Amino acid sequence: DADVTQTPRNRITKTGKRIMLECSQTKGHDRMYWYRQDPGLGLRLIYYSFDVKDINKGEISDGYSVSRQAQAKFSLSLESAIPNQTALYFCATSDPGRNGNTIYFGEGSWLTVV
Amino acid sequence: GENVEQHPSTLSVQEGDSAVIKCTYSDSASNYFPWYKQELGKRPQLIIDIRSNVGEKKDQRIAVTLNKTAKHFSLHITETQPEDSAVYFCAASSGGSYIPTFGRGTSLIVHP
Repeated sequence: DADVTQTPRNRITKTGKRIMLECSQTKGHDRMYWYRQDPGLGLRLIYYSFDVKDINKGEISDGYSVSRQAQAKFSLSLESAIPNQTALYFCATSDPGRNGNTIYFGEGSWLTVV
Repeated sequence: GENVEQHPSTLSVQEGDSAVIKCTYSDSASNYFPWYKQELGKRPQLIIDIRSNVGEKKDQRIAVTLNKTAKHFSLHITETQPEDSAVYFCAASSGGSYIPTFGRGTSLIVHP
């Protein structure tokens, strides 16, 4: 089955450390996203990319950076992790031209910053 | 930008009862309204969506209604079952980017 795969699925890191979350997809979608989920705050968009040469900030991009290495790969970096970046992170894809506007989420990456 | 408010944050019902989750949006240009279900420990998945040229859409026990004038839309689940227990997210987006803005989620608990 075509899917959205995130690595690592769980990570504990220390304050000030650099951490990268990786995402790859076999859906063939052009659009990729990184969301953050916190209890009571819903799903908030960090960054999105419409194609390899297109990167855009979402509503909460401060403290994060991204890289679109290929159509199928989109990574999220925390350059200097802080405890309030402890959250569940979702990579996602969509392809409005083929599948309507459905967002397909990966399984999520739990990040704890201590 | 778009702002989506979702209520209630928690909803507890008995099996067989109906459940209604309500959302309001701020951007009158929004024209696509999906609903996602997230079971415990799982990823959110689309369960139903509605476009602004339609007032209501049904899929078995779930339905969504849209009132464009009032800028609100609702998810209705009839004959609830324990497996309906999950967090439900509404979202709104507009043509062009179609990037959804999500509500904060409703935790639905269905008691057997």
